[in-house]
Formats: sequence, C-alpha cells, structure tokens
Amino acid sequence: GNSVTQMEGPVTLSEEAFLTINCTYTATGYPSLFWYVQYPGEGLQLLLKATKADDKGSNKGFEATYRKETTSFHLEKGSVQVSDSAVYFCALSDSNYQLIWGAGTKLIIKP
Amino acid sequence: SQTIHQWPATLVQPVGSPLSLECTVEGTSNPNLYWYRQAAGRGLQLLFYSVGIGQISSEVPQNLSASRPQDRQFILSSKKLLLSDSGFYLCAWSTGTEMRTDTQYFGPGTRLTVL
Repeated sequence: GNSVTQMEGPVTLSEEAFLTINCTYTATGYPSLFWYVQYPGEGLQLLLKATKADDKGSNKGFEATYRKETTSFHLEKGSVQVSDSAVYFCALSDSNYQLIWGAGTKLIIKP
Repeated sequence: SQTIHQWPATLVQPVGSPLSLECTVEGTSNPNLYWYRQAAGRGLQLLFYSVGIGQISSEVPQNLSASRPQDRQFILSSKKLLLSDSGFYLCAWSTGTEMRTDTQYFGPGTRLTVL
C-alpha cells in the first residue's frame, strides 16, 4: 500500500542554518505530494505541494521537488528563522480522497 | 473565502461520558469532509471522511462515530469515552473536484482530554 516515511525528529538548528527534512514515499500510480506545517497550538496548514514529477513546490522560502526516480519530496530552506519552529508533515494523496501522512518532524530553531 | 470552524477548542471529559464535536465549513458547497486524530507526539490518523450528506466512511474501528446532517456540517460523536480517546481532533475539508491534487484545509482543532 501507499506510505510516507519522514526523518525522525526533533531537528534542532541555529537561526540562518540550511534546512533539509527528508521525505520518501511508496505509491502506485501518480500521487500528488504535500508538505503541511503545524505551528505550536494550531491546526495544520498547507505549506506547499507538487502534483507531478519534477514539479517544484515553494512557499515562504521553503522548497521541495517531486523526484519520481528517487521517490522523494525533501523539504529545504536556505536560511531558517526562529518562527519556522513547528512540526512538518509530508503527505501524499491517493485516488480515494485520502491523504497518507508521514509521522511528522519537529523542527526547533534556536536564536 | 472559505473558513472552517471547530468547537469546542478544548474539552475535558470523564471516562464513560458522551462526546460531540462539531465542524462547519463556510464559503463552499459539497465539500469532502474529514475527521483526524493526532495523538501526542504522533502523526495524523484518519478517522472518518464524507463525500456527501449522510455518506460516511470509517477508516478505523473504534467507539467513535461521525454524521453529516447538512452539507457543510460534520459531527464526531461517542456514546462512552475511553481514556485512549484523548488527543487533538482535526476537521478538514477539500473541494473534491480533483481528488489527486486536492489540498485539504484544516480547522483549528479540539484538544480532548479524557480523565
């Protein structure tokens, strides 16, 4: 079946460091891929998405590229800020109205 | 613009008591609706989804149930809460116009503590 695997957290970085959060997936067909973010005490919100191979999603300085050959959708940001501290979820959509979620990666940015 | 509301925001209930959480969506018609649970330190677990009034699909056997009495209203219920029902409950909606690329939009969540 479809699945998403994320790197375990927490990931702790200093402000202005480069961020990579790894996400790999297993899926049949051609899923769409998503990154959602959950700030402390809040619900989830879409950060970015990509709907076909080689697409790059971007938002708020974050980027992720849909790599079909490596079945990956790694999240990157060139210079993180304290306000980026949150839990990040990778997910894929299948054709049955469902999102398949990774376990989430907690990111802690220290000033 | 579309908005999604959940209430209550927090709830503390004794074991064995009933539960009713409500979710409403504004600004869209015939949305797909979803209930998720997020246990502390863990990812999201899909509990129920609905593609229309009265149409409910359950993903996980449990003592919870869901209903969709109106197009934009989704209710999560239980007759008798268990300790293991504690968690953060999130409602979400999507347009359902293109299943594969649909974004799900989440409400603010309800923090349920069962004592």
